[in-house]
Amino acid sequence: QKEVEQNSGPLSVPEGAIASLNCTYSDRGSQSFFWYRQYSGKSPELIMSIYSNGDKEDGRFTAQLNKASQYVSLLIRDSQPSDSATYLCALEHGSGNTGKLIFGQGTTLQVKP
Amino acid sequence: NAGVMQNPRHLVRRRGQEARLRCSPVKGHSHVYWYRQLPEEGLKFMVYLQKENIIDESGMPKERFSAEFPKEGPSILRIQQVVRGDSAAYFCASSPWDVDTQYFGPGTRLTVL
Repeated sequence: QKEVEQNSGPLSVPEGAIASLNCTYSDRGSQSFFWYRQYSGKSPELIMSIYSNGDKEDGRFTAQLNKASQYVSLLIRDSQPSDSATYLCALEHGSGNTGKLIFGQGTTLQVKP
Repeated sequence: NAGVMQNPRHLVRRRGQEARLRCSPVKGHSHVYWYRQLPEEGLKFMVYLQKENIIDESGMPKERFSAEFPKEGPSILRIQQVVRGDSAAYFCASSPWDVDTQYFGPGTRLTVL
């Protein structure tokens, strides 16, 4: 089992819809979770971090964490064509500030005008 | 307000040559991380450094690869005797001492001929 699993997609949604991106993980000790966005040929760009169970909202983005189910998700409201990218789920390996991020393979999102 | 800087952005080497990749963290950040992204693969952790110290090198190949973060100057990822399989994008990230959020540089795309 991979440490961080994501559906590679592509996930295709119409402009203005809600895009839902999901991620499961195996390391129960992990405490810190991150969503990054990566455009083709570019570097990962941090969208959000989440550490506690529940929802965390930042603009059009909402991250959700459920440690009991070992599940992290990212919702993008009012999706725009500019949101078309690969979304990477990551966790910090182990507990505490280990510095070692483990990434999923990423989900490709396509927002169609 | 400069972010993480990496150079060169593109590097071409012939098999057997050495590759040196440089990373300057965000001003004030004391932690540096290197990741590798092979074509069509996810980001993989390589090494975590603080000034003059290697904290975690569990992702570094055992041979030919080394990294340093000297007291003065940028962090260096060095690949000796490169092989075609080393062709990848190499990303550096940095974080402050007290926060586990990592910010990525633009990457160095290494091509081995």
